[in-house]
Amino acid sequence: GQQVMQIPQYQHVQEGEDFTTYCNSSTTLSNIQWYKQRPGGHPVFLIQLVKSGEVKKQKRLTFQFGEAKKNSSLHITATQTTDVGTYFCAGIGGFGNEKLTFGTGTRLTIIP
Amino acid sequence: DSGVTQTPKHLITATGQRVTLRCSPRSGDLSVYWYQQSLDQGLQFLIQYYNGEERAKGNILERFSAQQFPDLHSELNLSSLELGDSALYFCASSRTVNYGYTFGSGTRLTVV
Repeated sequence: GQQVMQIPQYQHVQEGEDFTTYCNSSTTLSNIQWYKQRPGGHPVFLIQLVKSGEVKKQKRLTFQFGEAKKNSSLHITATQTTDVGTYFCAGIGGFGNEKLTFGTGTRLTIIP
Repeated sequence: DSGVTQTPKHLITATGQRVTLRCSPRSGDLSVYWYQQSLDQGLQFLIQYYNGEERAKGNILERFSAQQFPDLHSELNLSSLELGDSALYFCASSRTVNYGYTFGSGTRLTVV
């Protein structure tokens, strides 16, 4: 079945440093979504990427979808304490597959 | 408040028992999804409904079942509970299958 892996599993950064998490799927995806889950909270939808090579920005967050539509990345510039949480990518496979498979997640900790 | 309502928020029950988790989707959303999140684990897809019909199934145990009612609320039934079933159970909803999910706050199930 479809598998979605993320690296790193954990990341500790000084406040103000940049952070990147990488997402890799075992199969080609029709789209990729990103979610953030704060400690003790529920996942919150951040963004969806659909096109090959697509890049989207939300303030300090930059999302990329790979050319082969099998990988994606999330980059945060100048992290802040409010960025703490676990970031999940999630992908929907090809035609006929409606299941959204979540990645393993990257837990971000900020050192003030 | 995300608009997706899950009840109860917490549930403590004994092994062998049966419980029902309830979810009311966001107004206008026809799709409902159930996910399981064990301690420090990712989100495991259980099952998806669209407008009352089952659309996709994940690695849902035979002891678990779900349904979506005409008013679009959904219930997840867990029976013959085991210690390993202790987890956070999230419900999510969306207007279409190819866009971001809105998650509820989850039901934390503890089996003792």
